Amino acid sequence: GQSLEQPSEVTAVEGAIVQINCTYQTSGFYGLSWYQQHDGGAPTFLSYNALDGLEETGRFSSFLSRSDSYGYLLLQELQMKDSASYFCADNTNAGKSTFGDGTTLTVKP
Amino acid sequence: EAQVTQNPRYLITVTGKKLTVTCSQNMNHEYMSWYRQDPGLGLRQIYYSMNVEVTDKGDVPEGYKVSRKEKRNFPLILESPSPNQTSLYFCASSSSLSGQNIQYFGAGTRLSVL
Repeated sequence: GQSLEQPSEVTAVEGAIVQINCTYQTSGFYGLSWYQQHDGGAPTFLSYNALDGLEETGRFSSFLSRSDSYGYLLLQELQMKDSASYFCADNTNAGKSTFGDGTTLTVKP
Repeated sequence: EAQVTQNPRYLITVTGKKLTVTCSQNMNHEYMSWYRQDPGLGLRQIYYSMNVEVTDKGDVPEGYKVSRKEKRNFPLILESPSPNQTSLYFCASSSSLSGQNIQYFGAGTRLSVL
């Protein structure tokens, strides 16, 4: 089956940089996506990697290493509003999608 | 405005009473999915559809049905709901150009089965 591992909680201070790791085991891997979810809200797309390397989108960047079955989400210049849950998800081009259990990020002043 | 619309947002029902949660998207996306999310867990895919009349089981399909008669709509049907289906449900859509890499989610349906 497919599974993704990510830390359950991360804490950081405003203005800092935080990295959320994700390791996956999947067949038919097509890409790794990242989503943000505030309490009770809908997940919103942040970034994805289909190829190895770093993708930068404003304060958020995502990295993928297919050979290591590993990726991470990097959040820079942390703000209080970044306190949320972050999910990695692996995807196949056949429609199947598996999410990790999520990392709760707490940003402290 | 591009969006995925789910209805209802909140639903309380009793065991065994059939219900349907509707999902509609206005982005002409080929892919649509249903997920459930339980406390402390990620989203688990129930069913997905790659296009009209093409559906497939996700990781937790038991007790659910779906249909994809039109591209924009993807209803989730619980024929005989049970308390273990109490959960937060999300519908999502994505373009075939991105595969499932970029999914757009509805606001969610909070279901309680008594």
